[in-house]
Order: sequence, then C-alpha cells, then structure tokens
Amino acid sequence: DTGVSQDPRHKITKRGQNVTFRCDPISEHNRLYWYRQTLGQGPEFLTYFQNEAQLEKSRLLSDRFSAERPKGSFSTLEIQRTEQGDSAMYLCASSRRRLAGGLTDTQYFGPGTRLTVL
Amino acid sequence: RKEVEQDPGPFNVPEGATVAFNCTYSNSASQSFFWYRQDCRKEPKLLMSVYSSGNEDGRFTAQLNRASQYISLLIRDSKLSDSATYLCVVNDDMRFGAGTRLTVKP
Repeated sequence: DTGVSQDPRHKITKRGQNVTFRCDPISEHNRLYWYRQTLGQGPEFLTYFQNEAQLEKSRLLSDRFSAERPKGSFSTLEIQRTEQGDSAMYLCASSRRRLAGGLTDTQYFGPGTRLTVL
Repeated sequence: RKEVEQDPGPFNVPEGATVAFNCTYSNSASQSFFWYRQDCRKEPKLLMSVYSSGNEDGRFTAQLNRASQYISLLIRDSKLSDSATYLCVVNDDMRFGAGTRLTVKP
C-alpha cells in the first residue's frame, strides 16, 4: 500500500499525558499537512510542511502542540499535557507541490488517529 | 463569516433523485477547489477537482462561480452508495467546509 499511513490508529490517554502521532506520506509528495476533525465538522487545518520546513501554523495550534518533519519524509505531531478538548480525529494528508506558479496538487489523506482524552 | 461555508443539510433524497450542494468561500483570490467525500468514521477521499469552466465525471458535475464566490456539486441519478458527507475545500487556504450530509433512501 503506497498511500498515506498514520500510527497509531487509536489512542486513549489520561488528561495531562503527552501523546505523539506519526504520519508517513506518499513517498514522492513534498507537502505534508495535519488537520484535526471533530464530530460534525470538517477537517480544521493545523499546520503544513514543504519538505522539512514548517511553512504555516494555525492559531488552533497552541504551544502544547508541536509538529516536526526532520528529514522531509515522515512527520510527528506531539501534544503535551493533553486536555479533554483535544479529543478528536487527527488527520494527515500529503500532496505534491507543482513547479512554481502551478496549483497545489491534490491532498491525499491517511486514515487518521483517533485520540480520546479521559 | 466563516471562510468556507456549506449547505448545512442533511439532505435525504430517494434513489434516482438529483441533488445539488453549494459551498461559498470568502477569499476572492482562491484558485484551487475540490470536493471530497467522507464516509462515517473514515478519512476524506477526493471526489473531484473543480475547474473554472466546470467539469463532469459521470453522474457528478462541479461548477465554479468566481463572481459570486461559490462552488457547486450536482449529483444525478443518486445511488444508495452516494450516502456520505460531502466536503468542499479551498485548497490554497487549506480550508474545508463543515460538510453536507447526504442520505439516499430506497
């Protein structure tokens, strides 16, 4: 399977614990995105990378959240001191940025990591 | 005003019906638009891109109206398997709508 993969698929944690999620994008894709989705809402943009550079972060991404993509391949999203409000599906997507002046290629999503904070 | 807004739904239609969804966006400079389909507890999957001149893929037609800043999705001859949530996205801004839930009934 050469699609976007995410690990773990489910995570249950207690309030105050730290959690880390991993995303492996499609291999030739240079852009990687993180979204959060709660029931009845569309995905909310958190941050994205082009190669290893983190180019944009949403206001939703508080200082408890950090994302990395150290070698421009897989990415991790860490949430420190989790709160019950962090319970959501965390989606990763990847795309291939075309040459300068072109449109961003289609985003392909991974299956998501469902986080439950007790 | 939200950056991307969709018809709230839900839409409940009989098999064979034609149904249309609209999605408005606030950034007039946006260039890239898509429709995604999301099944319950699954990830969004690309349904189709939206081109300036409008485009069709089988029973699905997508249109863009830049003057009024909206995109639309038309589904003809709807099938039970079309039941899902349909999300529009302004790709430049990575902003998704909240989704419109469609249920097609026998």
